[in-house]
Amino acid sequence: EAGVAQSPRYKIIEKRQSVAFWCNPISGHATLYWYQQILGQGPKLLIQFQNNGVVDDSQLPKDRFSAERLKGVDSTLKIQPAKLEDSAVYLCASSTRTDDEQYFGPGTRLTVT
Amino acid sequence: SQQGEEDPQALSIQEGENATMNCSYKTSINNLQWYRQNSGRGLVHLILIRSNEREKHSGRLRVTLDTSKKSSSLLITASRAADTASYFCATGSGYSTLTFGKGTMLLVSP
Repeated sequence: EAGVAQSPRYKIIEKRQSVAFWCNPISGHATLYWYQQILGQGPKLLIQFQNNGVVDDSQLPKDRFSAERLKGVDSTLKIQPAKLEDSAVYLCASSTRTDDEQYFGPGTRLTVT
Repeated sequence: SQQGEEDPQALSIQEGENATMNCSYKTSINNLQWYRQNSGRGLVHLILIRSNEREKHSGRLRVTLDTSKKSSSLLITASRAADTASYFCATGSGYSTLTFGKGTMLLVSP
């Protein structure tokens, strides 16, 4: 079974620029998550989708972050404009349902200079 | 704020020894999960234990859950150098999302 795919793996941008990340979950997984992991901390949920609907986006900085999951499969996370404190690893995960184990992608390491 | 808090923050042991990590949380949960993260394989799910379970095993891993004390422990027996990683507990409450702790860094020396 193919795992969760993410791209790009690394991205370096200047502050105030925009960036987008892509995620392809495991086939058949209805639930998709985007996490932000800052160095030395655990992952923090940004947004959770159930199929193509948003379940939880309470910790998403909506003034600069946006995410969508068209057709309930692939998802993109966008940051515009980026700030220095957005430097982190952005992880995508998927699961069959909300309270089940999550499968994580390799992440995208974002550096904002 | 993060729900689960792992203890200790860092642990250093020799190969063959057992490693125990603890997780405490504050509010009622539906399930508790343990994940491992290293540079080679990213974040990987280890064990999920539900609130009505007290103990679960998977290979060299043993997880206990005490809901009265709001705590869980992860025991890795006969540790190997390949077990070197950060270990996170994550709590789930029904339809709400997982909340991860800051993790325990485990170093297993040959």
